[in-house]
Amino acid sequence: DAGVTQSPTHLIKTRGQQVTLRCSPKSGHDTVSWYQQALGQGPQFIFQYYEEEERQRGNFPDRFSGHQFPNYSSELNVNALLLGDSALYLCASSYLAGAYEQYFGPGTRLTVT
Amino acid sequence: EDQVTQSPEALRLQEGESSSLNCSYTVSGLRGLFWYRQDPGKGPEFLFTLYSAGEEKEKERLKATLTKKESFLHITAPKPEDSATYLCAVPASYNTDKLIFGTGTRLQVFP
Repeated sequence: DAGVTQSPTHLIKTRGQQVTLRCSPKSGHDTVSWYQQALGQGPQFIFQYYEEEERQRGNFPDRFSGHQFPNYSSELNVNALLLGDSALYLCASSYLAGAYEQYFGPGTRLTVT
Repeated sequence: EDQVTQSPEALRLQEGESSSLNCSYTVSGLRGLFWYRQDPGKGPEFLFTLYSAGEEKEKERLKATLTKKESFLHITAPKPEDSATYLCAVPASYNTDKLIFGTGTRLQVFP
């Protein structure tokens, strides 16, 4: 049973650049949520995708955008990178949107220099 | 304001020394409380879901309990491989797509 997968594992970018992170949900899941986790903190909700639409959004600027494909996989795009965007980006999948158990992938470590 | 607070921030135990981690929450209308384990540099690993006060769940040396305002993760006779950060999370009051996480308890178990 394939779990949540994310790519790439690590990424180093320069301020002002753009980045795309990818996520494939756990088999049988149709909902993908994205979180940002700074060192020593709990994950912070960015947004959730269900039926290829963004359902809800956390307190993140429009520089953060996403997409969900018909096969339920998802991308997170961040434009105009800032040093403060350096974090572990986590993708979580669940079956149906809403308050259900979310299973996390291994994360993508983004470093902005 | 929705909030999740975990204590202690860090806990050092000798192997076999049982203890408890606390997660207190402030949300309107609890729709579940989730416990996760996170190893350094990795994604959180799902452990338990609790939905109502009085509910208990067990897995190996871990037992999670829930009251109306807090949850406890009891660790019985821990082993070094139980060392990790333990996170709890609840769905937000008015945006149940969003999980609100505590900052976690960093557990170290020494042989």
